[in-house]
Amino acid sequence: SQQGEEDPQALSIQEGENATMNCSYKTSINNLQWYRQNSGRGLVHLILIRSNEREKHSGRLRVTLDTSKKSSSLLITASRAADTASYFCATDTSGSARQLTFGSGTQLTVLP
Amino acid sequence: DTAVSQTPKYLVTQMGNDKSIKCEQNLGHDTMYWYKQDSKKFLKIMFSYNNKELIINETVPNRFSPKSPDKAHLNLHINSLELGDSAVYFCASSQGGSRNEQFFGPGTRLTVL
Repeated sequence: SQQGEEDPQALSIQEGENATMNCSYKTSINNLQWYRQNSGRGLVHLILIRSNEREKHSGRLRVTLDTSKKSSSLLITASRAADTASYFCATDTSGSARQLTFGSGTQLTVLP
Repeated sequence: DTAVSQTPKYLVTQMGNDKSIKCEQNLGHDTMYWYKQDSKKFLKIMFSYNNKELIINETVPNRFSPKSPDKAHLNLHINSLELGDSAVYFCASSQGGSRNEQFFGPGTRLTVL
């Protein structure tokens, strides 16, 4: 079953604006990760937030995690055309199996 | 200095054929994965190997057989290909532990005619 669901499915913004993507999940997690996928490429890890963290920053990225609501958000500030990609959240659930469960993704288009 | 590489990048074949996709990682990771991404970009885990041992085997037809000759390689063999097997297949690796960030290959686009 699908663990993560991203919202919105697609987002189109102007260069310079901020982009916010949300992810909801169903079960308890060890950590939550965000990945980017450019068209025709593999996924690239962006940022990881542990279950005991509430907010994390990395450059223009800001991730929040609310375990009580089982949700996370990814904020990209001052977006650039090069940020155009699909963004996926992935949950690392408790257990010995090293498994990530990916959401359905948000397609972000940044218009120049 | 490619971290995770896959070959081939594109694979077009007829229904009923048998094909293989190869994956290699030079990151020294001990865990490797195969994912299938469908046309709606939904990414689903198929298999995971840790130190050459199968640890995850999701509900995948037994026509799919992973083979790990060593820690750096995880190949995917598919028998009797069907139209529904058309998708992009990604190999990934991770060091595991508490972080489990995964590094993905560029993908293999499989088209079954």
